[in-house]
Amino acid sequence: EAGVVQSPRYKIIEKKQPVAFWCNPISGHNTLYWYRQNLGQGPELLIRYENEEAVDDSQLPKDRFSAERLKGVDSTLKIQPAELGDSAVYLCASSLIGGGANEQFFGPGTRLTVL
Amino acid sequence: QKEVEQDPGPLSVPEGAIVSLNCTYSNSAFQYFMWYRQYSRKGPELLMYTYSSGNKEDGRFTAQVDKSSKYISLFIRDSQPSDSATYLCAMSSDAGNMLTFGGGTRLMVKP
Repeated sequence: EAGVVQSPRYKIIEKKQPVAFWCNPISGHNTLYWYRQNLGQGPELLIRYENEEAVDDSQLPKDRFSAERLKGVDSTLKIQPAELGDSAVYLCASSLIGGGANEQFFGPGTRLTVL
Repeated sequence: QKEVEQDPGPLSVPEGAIVSLNCTYSNSAFQYFMWYRQYSRKGPELLMYTYSSGNKEDGRFTAQVDKSSKYISLFIRDSQPSDSATYLCAMSSDAGNMLTFGGGTRLMVKP
């Protein structure tokens, strides 16, 4: 079974440029998460989707970040314009919520460098 | 102060040693406790999942939760060089939907 797929794996851009990240979750998983992981720190949740609905986006900087999950499958996270402080690894995770323990499966992440 | 505190390390041990990794937390609503392992340039992968207090063992790994002290531990027996990674604790009050991570401890096991 394929895991969570993310692309690109690496991205280098100049500040003020836009950037987009793509995530394909594990087949059948209804919940998708975007995290940001700064160097030497744990992941921090940006947004969580249940199917097509964003159920928690309280940590998403909405002035420059946007996300969508069309048809409840793939998702895209966008930053426009990027700032130097956005340099981080952006992780996508998915899970199947249906009662009981909920294991999140993570993708390899997209490492963003803003110059 | 962060909700979940974890010593960043690095922790360097010889092969075969017993490793103890720890996290403290402040939110008494946390009921679900997890340990993730993250290799360099990879995403985190779940190692252990514990509900409420107590111990859980899986092979060379043992997870302990002490809710009265707000303290959790991961023990690795007979550590191997392949265990070299960053270990992240994570906690949740809702079966793992909303995870709060510690900063991670980097472990190096030397042959």
